[in-house]
Amino acid sequence: EVQLVESGGGLVQPGGSLRLSCAASGFTFSSCSMNWVRQTPGRGLEWVSYISSSSSNIYYADSVKGRFTISRDNAKNSLFLQMDSLRAEDTAVYYCARRPIIALGIPFDYWGQGTVVTVSS
Amino acid sequence: QSVLTQPPSVSAAPGQTVTIPCSGSDSNIGNNYVSWYRQLPGTAPKLLIYDNNKRPSGIPDRFSGSRSGTSATLGITGLQTGDEADYYCGTWDTRLSVYVFGTGTKVTV
Repeated sequence: EVQLVESGGGLVQPGGSLRLSCAASGFTFSSCSMNWVRQTPGRGLEWVSYISSSSSNIYYADSVKGRFTISRDNAKNSLFLQMDSLRAEDTAVYYCARRPIIALGIPFDYWGQGTVVTVSS
Repeated sequence: QSVLTQPPSVSAAPGQTVTIPCSGSDSNIGNNYVSWYRQLPGTAPKLLIYDNNKRPSGIPDRFSGSRSGTSATLGITGLQTGDEADYYCGTWDTRLSVYVFGTGTKVTV
């Protein structure tokens, strides 16, 4: 069974940092590209970042570029999001999501349960 | 602000059919594969349609997707009360090099 479990969320002051983790199991993690997606309470989905299976291709949303860093450890089946210079508008539920190998496009077929990040003084 | 536009809400009676449009541009829907997601309150989104019109295993054929030009459409037939949720389209934007979600549509049955 495919499982994605996020951790690392919490309350942080503006300007602070957090490191989110996503533990993957039930599939060949090293073969799949991964993403972070966030959702502000009561609002829609916002894609945050993408990393290819070998970490050779990485993309960020403009809203986080230069402040967030995505990475992965294929040996440990783990995905990370280092979030620096956090702002109030980064407050959201953060999901990790898998892109399936079979897809031609970039769908997200499995999602974690989400971890809550709150940026407030 | 999302580059993919969806109506805020649609509604229909149980057993009827609804269609949800998703409008984009050449740089996203026009040249990339579209996915559709359903999100129930308090839960993570669930993939309904990928690569414009393919259904993942376990998704009933009541759900269908299509793409024409710079627009995509999700269709739901035989509406059930359990279909009440928020629905989002999504695709890659080649010009922006970002993934974009639609604005979301709330379906009321």
